[in-house]
Amino acid sequence: AQSVTQLGSHVSVSEGALVLLRCNYSSSVPPYLFWYVQYPNQGLQLLLKYTSAATLVKGINGFEAEFKKSETSFHLTKPSAHMSDAAEYFCAVSEAGRGSNYKLTFGKGTLLTVNP
Amino acid sequence: DTEVTQTPKHLVMGMTNKKSLKCEQHMGHRAMYWYKQKAKKPPELMFVYSYEKLSINESVPSRFSPECPNSSLLNLHLHALQPEDSALYLCASSQDWGGRAYGYTFGSGTRLTVV
Repeated sequence: AQSVTQLGSHVSVSEGALVLLRCNYSSSVPPYLFWYVQYPNQGLQLLLKYTSAATLVKGINGFEAEFKKSETSFHLTKPSAHMSDAAEYFCAVSEAGRGSNYKLTFGKGTLLTVNP
Repeated sequence: DTEVTQTPKHLVMGMTNKKSLKCEQHMGHRAMYWYKQKAKKPPELMFVYSYEKLSINESVPSRFSPECPNSSLLNLHLHALQPEDSALYLCASSQDWGGRAYGYTFGSGTRLTVV
């Protein structure tokens, strides 16, 4: 089974500082990886996805992630944090379910707080 | 229309009640999903519908009964729930089967409280 591990359940940064949220995956085959963001009392929004087309993936709101096979990582970064980035961030992998179905499985999440 | 709409947004029900959650999308997506999310936890998959047929049931108790009347609508029927079933119930849809190419589009959820 494929899985993702998010290192750090809580990350706190100052406004304008670099944001780095860590995600490592375990997979014996090329994975399909995603980052989602969840604002309080809302659903999840897709930030970006890796589907093997390019190792550096750019997403919405200035976020990007780099797929590193040698490190089995897919860390999320943003050069300069904004107060509006405060939210829960989930790394996810699309893995095979029963039969030939696929399902999206999430990491435990990282809460990002941005200090003024 | 690029949204998944869930109703109601909030629901309080007793343990003997029967209620339903509704999810609707008009993006032409052919796969739809129900997830359950407890506070400070990641979403957990409950059911997957592909082309209006149930394709994955993650061993969910029978007090949760999904239904897909057509390609745009997904229901979750609730009966005899327990207080521990209180959670945020999220619906999602995907353009491709399994959402591998384009990801999922999530609704904003139904906050369910069982009393």
